[in-house]
Amino acid sequence: DGGITQSPKYLFRKEGQNVTLSCEQNLNHDAMYWYRQDPGQGLRLIYYSQIVNDFQKGDIAEGYSVSREKKESFPLTVTSAQKNPTAFYLCASSYSDREKNEQYFGPGTRLTVT
Amino acid sequence: AQSVTQLGSHVSVSEGALVLLRCNYSSSVPPYLFWYVQYPNQGLQLLLKYTSAATLVKGINGFEAEFKKSETSFHLTKPSAHMSDAAEYFCAVRPSGAGSYQLTFGKGTKLSVIP
Repeated sequence: DGGITQSPKYLFRKEGQNVTLSCEQNLNHDAMYWYRQDPGQGLRLIYYSQIVNDFQKGDIAEGYSVSREKKESFPLTVTSAQKNPTAFYLCASSYSDREKNEQYFGPGTRLTVT
Repeated sequence: AQSVTQLGSHVSVSEGALVLLRCNYSSSVPPYLFWYVQYPNQGLQLLLKYTSAATLVKGINGFEAEFKKSETSFHLTKPSAHMSDAAEYFCAVRPSGAGSYQLTFGKGTKLSVIP
Protein backbone atom coordinates (compact mmCIF):
# COMPACT_ATOMS: atom_id res chain seq x y z
CA ASP A 1 0.00 0.00 0.00
CA GLY A 2 1.71 3.19 -1.20
CA GLY A 3 1.54 6.38 0.78
CA ILE A 4 3.13 8.91 3.08
CA THR A 5 3.54 8.31 6.78
CA GLN A 6 4.21 10.91 9.43
CA SER A 7 4.99 10.12 13.01
CA PRO A 8 4.01 10.73 15.65
CA LYS A 9 0.45 12.02 15.20
CA TYR A 10 0.72 14.21 18.33
CA LEU A 11 3.93 15.56 19.85
CA PHE A 12 4.46 17.57 23.02
CA ARG A 13 7.68 19.37 23.89
CA LYS A 14 8.96 21.89 26.35
CA GLU A 15 10.15 25.25 25.13
CA GLY A 16 13.86 25.27 24.32
CA GLN A 17 14.00 21.69 23.09
CA ASN A 18 14.66 20.66 19.52
CA VAL A 19 12.24 18.12 18.06
CA THR A 20 12.35 16.05 14.88
CA LEU A 21 9.26 15.13 12.86
CA SER A 22 9.40 12.07 10.67
CA CYS A 23 8.16 11.79 7.07
CA GLU A 24 8.50 8.66 4.94
CA GLN A 25 7.07 7.90 1.50
CA ASN A 26 6.99 4.74 -0.60
CA LEU A 27 5.52 6.31 -3.72
CA ASN A 28 8.92 6.57 -5.44
CA HIS A 29 8.45 10.35 -5.61
CA ASP A 30 11.47 12.52 -6.28
CA ALA A 31 10.30 15.65 -4.48
CA MET A 32 9.25 16.13 -0.86
CA TYR A 33 7.88 19.14 1.00
CA TRP A 34 7.17 20.38 4.51
CA TYR A 35 4.31 22.75 5.27
CA ARG A 36 3.11 24.44 8.40
CA GLN A 37 -0.62 24.99 8.93
CA ASP A 38 -2.09 27.49 11.37
CA PRO A 39 -5.84 28.21 11.72
CA GLY A 40 -7.00 30.62 9.02
CA GLN A 41 -3.54 30.80 7.43
CA GLY A 42 -3.66 28.09 4.83
CA LEU A 43 -0.46 26.12 4.27
CA ARG A 44 2.96 27.76 4.24
CA LEU A 45 6.01 26.09 2.74
CA ILE A 46 8.92 25.52 5.12
CA TYR A 47 11.42 23.49 3.04
CA TYR A 48 11.36 21.37 -0.07
CA SER A 49 13.68 18.91 -1.76
CA GLN A 50 13.56 17.88 -5.41
CA ILE A 51 16.40 15.38 -5.21
CA VAL A 52 18.40 13.44 -2.63
CA ASN A 53 21.06 15.48 -0.82
CA ASP A 54 19.58 18.77 -1.98
CA PHE A 55 16.91 21.01 -0.45
CA GLN A 56 15.75 24.62 -0.62
CA LYS A 57 14.19 27.03 1.84
CA GLY A 58 10.56 27.86 1.48
CA ASP A 59 8.72 30.93 2.70
CA ILE A 60 9.15 30.36 6.44
CA ALA A 61 12.39 28.36 6.92
CA GLU A 62 13.74 30.29 9.91
CA GLY A 63 14.01 28.07 12.99
CA TYR A 64 13.71 24.83 11.00
CA SER A 65 16.19 22.41 9.44
CA VAL A 66 15.87 19.36 7.17
CA SER A 67 17.94 16.59 5.61
CA ARG A 68 17.39 14.39 2.57
CA GLU A 69 19.80 11.48 2.80
CA LYS A 70 17.39 8.96 1.28
CA LYS A 71 14.76 9.33 -1.42
CA GLU A 72 12.09 7.95 0.92
CA SER A 73 12.75 10.14 3.94
CA PHE A 74 12.63 13.88 4.66
CA PRO A 75 12.76 14.60 8.42
CA LEU A 76 12.08 18.09 9.75
CA THR A 77 13.75 19.45 12.90
CA VAL A 78 12.02 22.25 14.75
CA THR A 79 14.76 24.04 16.63
CA SER A 80 14.57 26.17 19.75
CA ALA A 81 15.11 29.19 17.48
CA GLN A 82 11.60 28.83 16.06
CA LYS A 83 9.64 31.47 17.97
CA ASN A 84 6.17 29.98 17.66
CA PRO A 85 6.50 26.26 16.91
CA THR A 86 3.04 25.09 17.98
CA ALA A 87 1.25 24.16 14.75
CA PHE A 88 0.06 21.33 12.50
CA TYR A 89 2.89 20.11 10.25
CA LEU A 90 2.20 18.43 6.92
CA CYS A 91 4.61 16.54 4.73
CA ALA A 92 3.95 16.02 1.00
CA SER A 93 5.63 14.39 -1.96
CA SER A 94 5.36 14.48 -5.75
CA TYR A 95 7.07 13.47 -8.98
CA SER A 96 9.42 16.08 -10.43
CA ASP A 97 7.56 16.09 -13.72
CA ARG A 98 6.04 19.12 -15.39
CA GLU A 99 2.68 17.47 -16.05
CA LYS A 100 2.44 14.86 -13.34
CA ASN A 101 3.49 16.62 -10.16
CA GLU A 102 0.45 16.92 -7.97
CA GLN A 103 1.41 16.72 -4.33
CA TYR A 104 0.21 13.96 -2.05
CA PHE A 105 0.02 14.63 1.66
CA GLY A 106 0.67 12.67 4.82
CA PRO A 107 -1.74 12.67 7.79
CA GLY A 108 0.17 15.39 9.65
CA THR A 109 1.82 15.85 13.05
CA ARG A 110 0.34 18.23 15.59
CA LEU A 111 3.16 19.76 17.64
CA THR A 112 2.46 21.52 20.92
CA VAL A 113 5.27 23.36 22.67
CA THR A 114 4.71 24.69 26.18
CA ALA B 1 4.64 36.26 -7.80
CA GLN B 2 1.56 34.12 -7.75
CA SER B 3 -1.26 34.34 -5.27
CA VAL B 4 -4.60 32.73 -4.58
CA THR B 5 -7.67 34.29 -3.01
CA GLN B 6 -10.51 32.21 -1.66
CA LEU B 7 -13.61 34.30 -1.10
CA GLY B 8 -15.36 33.37 2.11
CA SER B 9 -13.58 31.66 4.98
CA HIS B 10 -16.85 29.92 5.91
CA VAL B 11 -19.67 28.74 3.63
CA SER B 12 -22.86 27.03 4.79
CA VAL B 13 -25.24 25.14 2.52
CA SER B 14 -28.24 22.92 3.09
CA GLU B 15 -27.99 19.24 2.31
CA GLY B 16 -28.93 18.76 -1.35
CA ALA B 17 -28.15 22.37 -2.30
CA LEU B 18 -25.51 23.58 -4.75
CA VAL B 19 -22.00 23.96 -3.40
CA LEU B 20 -19.96 26.87 -4.82
CA LEU B 21 -16.52 27.64 -3.42
CA ARG B 22 -14.69 30.55 -5.03
CA CYS B 23 -11.04 30.77 -6.01
CA ASN B 24 -9.31 33.56 -7.90
CA TYR B 25 -5.65 33.51 -8.84
CA SER B 26 -3.08 36.07 -9.78
CA SER B 27 -0.46 35.01 -12.31
CA SER B 28 1.21 36.52 -15.36
CA VAL B 29 0.59 33.34 -17.38
CA PRO B 30 -2.13 30.71 -16.94
CA PRO B 31 -0.93 28.50 -14.11
CA TYR B 32 -1.76 24.99 -13.02
CA LEU B 33 -4.54 24.97 -10.42
CA PHE B 34 -5.59 22.48 -7.76
CA TRP B 35 -8.36 21.94 -5.24
CA TYR B 36 -7.69 19.95 -2.09
CA VAL B 37 -10.02 18.87 0.74
CA GLN B 38 -9.04 18.47 4.38
CA TYR B 39 -11.08 16.70 7.05
CA PRO B 40 -10.39 17.60 10.71
CA ASN B 41 -6.93 16.58 11.93
CA GLN B 42 -6.05 14.92 8.65
CA GLY B 43 -3.84 15.63 5.69
CA LEU B 44 -5.00 17.10 2.38
CA GLN B 45 -6.58 15.02 -0.36
CA LEU B 46 -6.46 16.08 -4.01
CA LEU B 47 -9.94 16.70 -5.43
CA LEU B 48 -9.02 17.81 -8.93
CA LYS B 49 -6.43 19.69 -10.98
CA TYR B 50 -6.26 21.90 -14.07
CA THR B 51 -3.16 21.62 -16.26
CA SER B 52 -4.14 23.48 -19.45
CA ALA B 53 -6.18 20.72 -21.05
CA ALA B 54 -9.99 20.89 -20.75
CA THR B 55 -11.22 23.98 -18.93
CA LEU B 56 -13.96 22.02 -17.12
CA VAL B 57 -12.31 19.56 -14.78
CA LYS B 58 -14.11 16.74 -13.03
CA GLY B 59 -12.79 15.42 -9.76
CA ILE B 60 -13.63 12.94 -7.07
CA ASN B 61 -16.79 12.87 -4.94
CA GLY B 62 -18.88 14.64 -7.61
CA PHE B 63 -16.92 17.90 -7.55
CA GLU B 64 -15.91 19.85 -10.62
CA ALA B 65 -14.23 23.16 -11.37
CA GLU B 66 -14.07 25.44 -14.39
CA PHE B 67 -10.98 27.40 -15.40
CA LYS B 68 -11.94 30.87 -16.67
CA LYS B 69 -8.94 32.78 -17.92
CA SER B 70 -10.87 36.01 -18.49
CA GLU B 71 -12.00 36.03 -14.87
CA THR B 72 -8.79 34.47 -13.45
CA SER B 73 -11.03 32.08 -11.57
CA PHE B 74 -11.20 28.38 -10.76
CA HIS B 75 -14.38 27.96 -8.71
CA LEU B 76 -15.30 24.58 -7.24
CA THR B 77 -18.87 23.30 -7.56
CA LYS B 78 -21.00 20.31 -6.66
CA PRO B 79 -24.67 20.10 -7.69
CA SER B 80 -25.95 18.55 -4.48
CA ALA B 81 -24.24 18.81 -1.09
CA HIS B 82 -23.92 15.77 1.14
CA MET B 83 -23.25 15.75 4.86
CA SER B 84 -19.91 14.07 4.18
CA ASP B 85 -18.78 17.13 2.17
CA ALA B 86 -18.36 19.13 5.39
CA ALA B 87 -14.63 19.88 5.48
CA GLU B 88 -12.11 22.60 4.66
CA TYR B 89 -11.24 23.21 1.02
CA PHE B 90 -8.03 24.72 -0.30
CA CYS B 91 -7.29 26.14 -3.72
CA ALA B 92 -3.63 26.09 -4.82
CA VAL B 93 -1.64 27.39 -7.78
CA ARG B 94 1.75 26.66 -9.29
CA PRO B 95 3.57 27.97 -12.36
CA SER B 96 2.98 26.03 -15.56
CA GLY B 97 6.62 26.27 -16.63
CA ALA B 98 9.13 23.48 -16.20
CA GLY B 99 11.28 23.26 -13.10
CA SER B 100 8.97 25.08 -10.72
CA TYR B 101 6.77 22.86 -8.63
CA GLN B 102 6.03 24.89 -5.53
CA LEU B 103 2.39 25.31 -4.63
CA THR B 104 0.91 28.51 -3.25
CA PHE B 105 -2.22 27.86 -1.21
CA GLY B 106 -5.22 29.99 -0.45
CA LYS B 107 -6.28 30.41 3.17
CA GLY B 108 -9.06 27.85 2.85
CA THR B 109 -12.85 27.78 2.98
CA LYS B 110 -14.62 25.78 5.64
CA LEU B 111 -17.80 24.20 4.29
CA SER B 112 -20.67 23.38 6.65
CA VAL B 113 -23.60 21.28 5.46
CA ILE B 114 -26.89 21.80 7.27
CA PRO B 115 -29.25 18.82 7.46
